[in-house]
Amino acid sequence: DAKTTQPPSMDCAEGRAANLPCNHSTISGNEYVYWYRQIHSQGPQYIIHGLKNNETNEMASLIITEDRKSSTLILPHATLRDTAVYYCIVRVATGTASKLTFGTGTRLQVTL
Amino acid sequence: DGGITQSPKYLFRKEGQNVTLSCEQNLNHDAMYWYRQDPGQGLRLIYYSQIVNDFQKGDIAEGYSVSREKKESFPLTVTSAQKNPTAFYLCASSSFGRPGTNEKLFFGSGTQLSVL
Repeated sequence: DAKTTQPPSMDCAEGRAANLPCNHSTISGNEYVYWYRQIHSQGPQYIIHGLKNNETNEMASLIITEDRKSSTLILPHATLRDTAVYYCIVRVATGTASKLTFGTGTRLQVTL
Repeated sequence: DGGITQSPKYLFRKEGQNVTLSCEQNLNHDAMYWYRQDPGQGLRLIYYSQIVNDFQKGDIAEGYSVSREKKESFPLTVTSAQKNPTAFYLCASSSFGRPGTNEKLFFGSGTQLSVL
């Protein structure tokens, strides 16, 4: 699976959009981009995933660049409860279990 | 409610002792995983299982053992060979479907293991 690079930390004011970048310059054509987040001392929670088209769900939007070498997770109206570590993962979706590696992610701090 | 249950929430191990962490899921998922997380670090894969009676080593399997006798259960044993077992342990499961559609991991709430 391709390696990803994320900034170690970011701050965002409550009510503003939080834009979390992820670089995956070695991504291959059959690899998906997944985002998870982990609130302190809890298990990670799935947010969204995509292949090449932009995706949106009730939690967030995922914008993938045309060359697929980077993506941005957007939380449109960040709240204090969005303070967490956000993980960007790239993997081949083979329909079978396989190694899925979580790096150190981006620690998002939402402030008043 | 469907989900993954890990127990206990906190566990203490004495030197030279084996301890077993429980993970049960009622999501009817085929695959199950064990991760270890150290403070300020990401998650590292210990073992994973795609199907009953089958499991594969992850990146840091030394000092750990698993079994998968039932689809719902994937217990992790931390053996005395694991010299630095203090960490937060997370269990996860996932279902299989069309590639790219259902490959979300669902995580339990974790077990904090400490050495006395």
